[in-house]
Amino acid sequence: KAGVTQTPRYLIKTRGQQVTLSCSPISGHRSVSWYQQTPGQGLQFLFEYFSETQRNKGNFPGRFSGRQFSNSRSEMNVSTLELGDSALYLCASSFGVLGQSGTEAFFGQGTRLTVV
Amino acid sequence: TQLLEQSPQFLSIQEGENLTVYCNSSSVFSSLQWYRQEPGEGPVLLVTVVTGGEVKKLKRLTFQFGDARKDSSLHITAAQPGDTGLYLCAVSFNFNKFYFGSGTKLNVKP
Repeated sequence: KAGVTQTPRYLIKTRGQQVTLSCSPISGHRSVSWYQQTPGQGLQFLFEYFSETQRNKGNFPGRFSGRQFSNSRSEMNVSTLELGDSALYLCASSFGVLGQSGTEAFFGQGTRLTVV
Repeated sequence: TQLLEQSPQFLSIQEGENLTVYCNSSSVFSSLQWYRQEPGEGPVLLVTVVTGGEVKKLKRLTFQFGDARKDSSLHITAAQPGDTGLYLCAVSFNFNKFYFGSGTKLNVKP
């Protein structure tokens, strides 16, 4: 069974631009969650989508948004990019919602975003 | 407020040595998972524990979930260079959000 697929793997953008990242979950999984990973802050939760609805949101500004489609694929958008948005963006899929006892999250390889 | 504390932050050991890394919280977990992440890759799930006092083994890795469900440890026996990576614990509280610790960066030297 195919794993979690994130595209693109690498991206370079300039300040002020916007970017859209894509995540295809494992077949049958309905939850997709997004994380930002930086050396200084570690892995930080952005948001979780389940059955096309945002279920939880982390402490990130409104420039970070996402959505989930009926086939469970998800996109994350960052507008008005800042240098500090440079990070590895990871998505994870799970069968049930995050936090349910025993729910396991499976990660993609991530998208490395560099803002210059 | 840091919900999860992982220790140590960094660990550099020789091949063949044993090691233990820890994950601690002041709150009770619903469940806990351990992941290993290699540079430039996503975290890979190693184990899930849900029952207080639970012990699980995965080859040379032993995972323990504290009786009070507030802490966990990962013990590696006879570490190998292939064990090098970032070890992350992730927990859920009250069956709601998912939180990751900051990780332990392990380097096993040949």
